[in-house]
Amino acid sequence: DTEVTQTPKHLVMGMTNKKSLKCEQHMGHRAMYWYKQKAKKPPELMFVYSYEKLSINESVPSRFSPECPNSSLLNLHLHALQPEDSALYLCASSQDRPDRGRLAKNIQYFGAGTRLSVL
Amino acid sequence: QKEVEQDPGPLSVPEGAIVSLNCTYSNSAFQYFMWYRQYSRKGPELLMYTYSSGNKEDGRFTAQVDKSSKYISLFIRDSQPSDSATYLCAMSAIYTNAGKSTFGDGTTLTVKP
Repeated sequence: DTEVTQTPKHLVMGMTNKKSLKCEQHMGHRAMYWYKQKAKKPPELMFVYSYEKLSINESVPSRFSPECPNSSLLNLHLHALQPEDSALYLCASSQDRPDRGRLAKNIQYFGAGTRLSVL
Repeated sequence: QKEVEQDPGPLSVPEGAIVSLNCTYSNSAFQYFMWYRQYSRKGPELLMYTYSSGNKEDGRFTAQVDKSSKYISLFIRDSQPSDSATYLCAMSAIYTNAGKSTFGDGTTLTVKP
């Protein structure tokens, strides 16, 4: 099973709203990622959590706030977004532990995404 | 110059054709090479990955890596209309902790019945 589940599938919010995106995986992966993808562009990395600790923040504006409550869950809290933040938000996970002496395997599995529209 | 360059396309082929999708890269540290398929308005789906050099085959799909040329390819045999999608190559180095994958810009493929 290589499933990463994201909710909601679609979200429309005003610039003053607060909302959250959720992501869940049950593959035992210890690294989880948030990406933003605009139309006809590749995914753009926002955050990486490794063993439930934030390891990479790609200089993302503070109106995006990630949270990793446990190894299976990843949230992205949204507040005071701008219309240009409208995009497909993708969650991914990867195995992030050495396996029998081998280094970590950074093969990422993506969820279906949340399509966000900011009015 | 980008670390990963992907043939931009778009690519349009008749059903049954052999499709070749390609990426070049400049970072010698890349060891994992992935191909993702992304249907419109959906998340990327991992098709195949290879570690280091060599070929890997899975049904109608074959992935090739030539590290000496820094060139990777995905071949699709007997292409079907359901293969119509954007194909993204991605690459990463080996990390002891989670690290980044670098994506190509994607090639949009249309297979016409």
